[in-house]
Amino acid sequence: QITLRQSGPTLMEPTQTLTLTCTFSGLSLITHGEGVGWVRQPPGKALEWLAIIYWDDDERYSPSLRSRLIITKDISRNQVVLTMTDMDVVDTATYYCVHRRAYSPVTNWGQGTRVAVSS
Amino acid sequence: EIVMTQSPATLSVSPGERVTLSCRASQSVSRDLAWHQQKPGQAPRLLIYDISTRATGIPVRFSGSVSGTEFTLTISSLQSEDFAIYYCQQYNEWPLTFGGGTKVEIK
Repeated sequence: QITLRQSGPTLMEPTQTLTLTCTFSGLSLITHGEGVGWVRQPPGKALEWLAIIYWDDDERYSPSLRSRLIITKDISRNQVVLTMTDMDVVDTATYYCVHRRAYSPVTNWGQGTRVAVSS
Repeated sequence: EIVMTQSPATLSVSPGERVTLSCRASQSVSRDLAWHQQKPGQAPRLLIYDISTRATGIPVRFSGSVSGTEFTLTISSLQSEDFAIYYCQQYNEWPLTFGGGTKVEIK
């Protein structure tokens, strides 16, 4: 059984840097095809991909947010970390850690972390 | 970026009714189309992938199909636990975009 658990701040101020950690079990990011990434959902709005990292170190980023995002993995800790710089009020959203295999949709979702950005 | 357009935005339905939700892609996504269900206050969960394959544990009342460029999610007889928002997702090319969602609410 695959589980994904997010951790990170729930309240931030504008211009700060967000760091979210996803700790997963039931999968290994050294296995061919595996990927772990992040999707966010502003209140009352649709889902938006942010970034994903794969078993082979391939990294993909949202074109519109690429300059603000870094995704990394720690194999020994079974963790993926997302960093988003220069947070703004419009970045207020629930951030989900997700799992997918190459050529597949999102198959597993974390429970989500609600991050509010306010001055 | 592939744009996924869902219609309608909201559907008011009575329990037991048949429900049809639509999703169109701005360009070909081959068979790389999935549906996710999101209930209030919960994370989404995968329902259907590869247009018509049900994910593990998904009831048979959920089915997916395609006609031309229009993808469809059908719920054969709506149950009370099916009132939720449904999102389509293409995974043919990055970024893996979602549609805007269709909310299925109680009539």
